[in-house]
This record gives sequence, structure tokens and C-alpha cells, in this order.
Amino acid sequence: GAGVSQSPRYKVAKRGQDVALRCDPISGHVSLFWYQQALGQGPEFLTYFQNEAQLDKSGLPSDRFFAERPEGSVSTLKIQRTQQEDSAVYLCASSRGTDSYNEQFFGPGTRLTVL
Amino acid sequence: KNEVEQSPQNLTAQEGEFITINCSYSVGISALHWLQQHPGGGIVSLFMLSSGKKKHGRLIATINIQEKHSSLHITASHPRDSAVYICADSIQGAQKLVFGQGTRLTINP
Repeated sequence: GAGVSQSPRYKVAKRGQDVALRCDPISGHVSLFWYQQALGQGPEFLTYFQNEAQLDKSGLPSDRFFAERPEGSVSTLKIQRTQQEDSAVYLCASSRGTDSYNEQFFGPGTRLTVL
Repeated sequence: KNEVEQSPQNLTAQEGEFITINCSYSVGISALHWLQQHPGGGIVSLFMLSSGKKKHGRLIATINIQEKHSSLHITASHPRDSAVYICADSIQGAQKLVFGQGTRLTINP
């Protein structure tokens, strides 16, 4: 079956532009996560959805970051008025269950470069 | 605060060598994950464990709950094992993963 897909794979934005990053999780996976990975670093948590409910958004770095999953499947991470420090790889992951002992399946990531 | 530390940050070895990557975490966990990331590629889950030891092919993961420490071993290493290996944990009641900074492994032929 298909894995987690993300689009676009690469995005170049000028500072101040808005961007939208899409994640298609594995069909039937209840949990969906967004992580941000800076160059040479491990990923860092941004936000978590259980179905359509955003249960944890404690990792979003500012109010310029917004995520949604309106029908409990596809999710979009939106960054408004992008800044250079937003340059990173944005990873989406999904898992079947909702407890903390669940394997997460990762998408290929979207590499965002803000000029 | 839940923190995950890995060592070494970089490791270069010759083909055939036995490899060990270490991971320490600071709080009681629900699960410890070992993941692999190839350059420009996505992240693949290798192991998820909460106790004892797991083996898959040439890869072995162990965890010591009392010492809050886990190791990833690779036997008979091969150049195709070259990648970044990341350890991450999840704590009870929190589904998100907290990641270490990764270990960049290079196996030379």
C-alpha cells in the first residue's frame, strides 16, 4: 500500500510569502504529526492531530504557523510571512493508533528554502 | 524535561566492523525508537522497543530501562549502512516523538 506522501518535495519562497505544505497520511491512520528538521539536527515536534482534532500544537514556533486536518485525513501546514529561519525540512508522519506505543511512518519531507 | 542525547555524533568505520551507537534519555518512557535517514531521503523506522532486545538481520537494539539507555548495534557493517541513525522516545500520555540529534555513520569499503 501507499506510504505517507508530501507535496511539494521542494519549495523556494521569498521572505514574506505564505506557503502551504501538504501531507497525505497512510489511509486509516488516526494520528498525524508534523515535525521540523533543521540542517544537521534531529527533527523537532510541531503539532499533532488525532483524526480532525488538533490535540497538541505546543511545538509551533509562532502564530505564523498554522496546521489543519479538516476531514481527518489530508493535512496542511501553512506558514505565513515566511522568514529565513523557517528554512528547514518539514516532515509529516502518521500512525495507526493513538497511544504512545505506536510506530510512526514518515513521509519524504518538504524542503523549504526561504530567500 | 524529556531530553534525548546520542553519541557519537559522527562515526566512520571500515566495512565489516561492529558498530555501536548510544542513546540516553532523561525521563521514563513508553517507547524508544531507532530510525534511519539516508541523505535527501525520508526517515524509516528500524525498531520500537520498551524493554529488552530486538534483532532484525544485522541490526540489534537493546534498552536498559533502569539506566535510561539504549544502544543500536550493527554487525558486519557494509557501505550501504551509511546513513544518519536517530534515536527518539515517546512518553506515556504524549504521542509525539522527542528526537536525538542523530549519529552520522559512514562505512568505508
